[in-house]
Amino acid sequence: EDKVVQSPLSLVVHEGDTVTLNCSYEVTNFRSLLWYKQEKKAPTFLFMLTSSGIEKKSGRLSSILDNKELFSILNITATQTGDSAVYLCAVDGGETSGSRLTFGEGTQLTVNP
Amino acid sequence: ETGVTQTPRHLVMGMTNKKSLKCEQHLGHNAMYWYKQSAKKPLELMFVYSLEERVENNSVPSRFSPECPNSSHLFLHLHTLQPEDSALYLCASSRSGGTGDTQYFGPGTRLTVL
Repeated sequence: EDKVVQSPLSLVVHEGDTVTLNCSYEVTNFRSLLWYKQEKKAPTFLFMLTSSGIEKKSGRLSSILDNKELFSILNITATQTGDSAVYLCAVDGGETSGSRLTFGEGTQLTVNP
Repeated sequence: ETGVTQTPRHLVMGMTNKKSLKCEQHLGHNAMYWYKQSAKKPLELMFVYSLEERVENNSVPSRFSPECPNSSHLFLHLHTLQPEDSALYLCASSRSGGTGDTQYFGPGTRLTVL
């Protein structure tokens, strides 16, 4: 059974801080790892990682995958209150008929002014 | 807007009611998914449809009945639900096939069972 573990489960920081969120996984048929941001409603897509060691970057957010040690990290620099959300990590262990995402519990990030 | 819409956005129902959740995707995808998100638990995959055929049923009770009449529409029929079924129900779609498909989510239906 595929498994995704995120840490920490909860994090409270001040605006301007840098945070690192962790995601480790066990999956039989790894295709990709995805990061989502969830505020009050549906998750919104952030990054998809398929290759080890290649950093993906979008503004203040960046992520990297290590598919030998089976983990990924999501970095947020110069945090803002609008970054407050649950950050979900998911691993796609699917086959040709469609993707199969297994989600971690998420990290609840709170950024205080 | 992700191109995946869900209706209704909120639903309150009694345990003896019958209702349906609707999902529509405008992305030309071939695979659609139902997820359940309960408080303080990871997202749980319920059903997967690929090319209108159900390819996964993740031990979901029979009081949840999915229907996929075509590749753009997905329904979840609900009957005789229990209060513990109260949750956010999310629909997603993906292109299907190939490696690294991303699933795109709808806004969800917040369901409360009284």
